[in-house]
Amino acid sequence: LAKTTQPISMDSYEGQEVNITCSHNNIATNDYITWYQQFPSQGPRFIIQGYKTKVTNEVASLFIPADRKSSTLSLPRVSLSDTAVYYCLVGDPWGGATNKLIFGTGTLLAVQP
Amino acid sequence: DAGVIQSPRHEVTEMGQEVTLRCKPISGHDYLFWYRQTMMRGLELLIYFNNNVPIDDSGMPEDRFSAKMPNASFSTLKIQPSEPRDSAVYFCASRRTGEVGGYTFGSGTRLTVV
Repeated sequence: LAKTTQPISMDSYEGQEVNITCSHNNIATNDYITWYQQFPSQGPRFIIQGYKTKVTNEVASLFIPADRKSSTLSLPRVSLSDTAVYYCLVGDPWGGATNKLIFGTGTLLAVQP
Repeated sequence: DAGVIQSPRHEVTEMGQEVTLRCKPISGHDYLFWYRQTMMRGLELLIYFNNNVPIDDSGMPEDRFSAKMPNASFSTLKIQPSEPRDSAVYFCASRRTGEVGGYTFGSGTRLTVV
């Protein structure tokens, strides 16, 4: 199973862009990279998913280099409500050995006024 | 869609009692996962099902834990007998094969064993 490594915590201020990088050196060919957000007392919530290059949605952007051994979640102009734990995971959405998602420690993002 | 529905939201029980947690996945999803979250151990995968069949239960901590999925719309996680160290938030999640968008998690059941 691919293992991910990400910073334990990050601090930011409102209005800034935040980039959280995740390493996944053993990513498999069929694996996608998925990021989740979790607020206290809630279940993780899907943010964005990608396979290569760049993916953007209304919430965030995901940058994946050609070797796919890392990825960067970019949150534009964060607000206080973006304070949460962010998890980076890799897995095969079509099943297979890496189908089950194993959560790491995540990155606690603290946004200050 | 109402999303993944878990019940109860909170459960307080005495040590030694049986506890049953319930989950209704999103209609059409063929995978169902049970996770447990504590401050010390983070989010741990306990067991997952594919088309109602248990695929991997290697995360189930002990024989006191059991999970069933009698049909595509319902799953239970049972702890018997419960112990204080089982206190945690238990999440259920579901997804559809090949669907880009990841898992959908329920709101969780906060279990306190006293």
